[in-house]
Amino acid sequence: GIQVEQSPPDLILQEGANSTLRCNFSDSVNNLQWFHQNPWGQLINLFYIPSGTKQNGRLSATTVATERYSLLYISSSQTTDSGVYFCAVGNSWGKFQFGAGTQVVVTP
Amino acid sequence: NAGVMQNPRHLVRRRGQEARLRCSPMKGHSHVYWYRQLPEEGLKFMVYLQKENIIDESGMPKERFSAEFPKEGPSILRIQQVVRGDSAAYFCASSPEGAANEKLFFGSGTQLSVL
Repeated sequence: GIQVEQSPPDLILQEGANSTLRCNFSDSVNNLQWFHQNPWGQLINLFYIPSGTKQNGRLSATTVATERYSLLYISSSQTTDSGVYFCAVGNSWGKFQFGAGTQVVVTP
Repeated sequence: NAGVMQNPRHLVRRRGQEARLRCSPMKGHSHVYWYRQLPEEGLKFMVYLQKENIIDESGMPKERFSAEFPKEGPSILRIQQVVRGDSAAYFCASSPEGAANEKLFFGSGTQLSVL
């Protein structure tokens, strides 16, 4: 199956700092999504981004499908950004594989 | 439009009992996925279903676990004769038709604790 690797595994940020999270995948994919799991366990879909760049407020994402990676940018981080960020990739018949996640802690 | 609904939120079972986890997808969604998450770990794919069909069950243990998504009613993940190692959070996700090119939406999960 497709291998998904996320880096870094852990990230500690001061409030207001910017950061970049990376997702590498081992094969061509039809679908790539970023999720945020908050400290209460809820999974929120941040981006559906199989290619190109998207922005949503302080968050943006870029996927370079030909080079098999995606980046999630967090700007001006806030304590509410804390949690685990997952990258998930899907193949042509719809099965999604998740990376191990990046644990983000934003300190005041 | 209600989101993906999972129940119960918490389920406690003794070893050897059966656990039944329910998932109602978002309205209009005909694709359902089940994932398992152990503490401090990522989500592990278990099974992918469409109405009345299992599309991919490659992540499901061969014994004691089964899943269905009937024509009417919620998707059910069933675990027979539970063991302590089954304790985990089980998440359900749904997407519209053509899941390969659609967003996934998750429920709040069921936390299964096996005593």
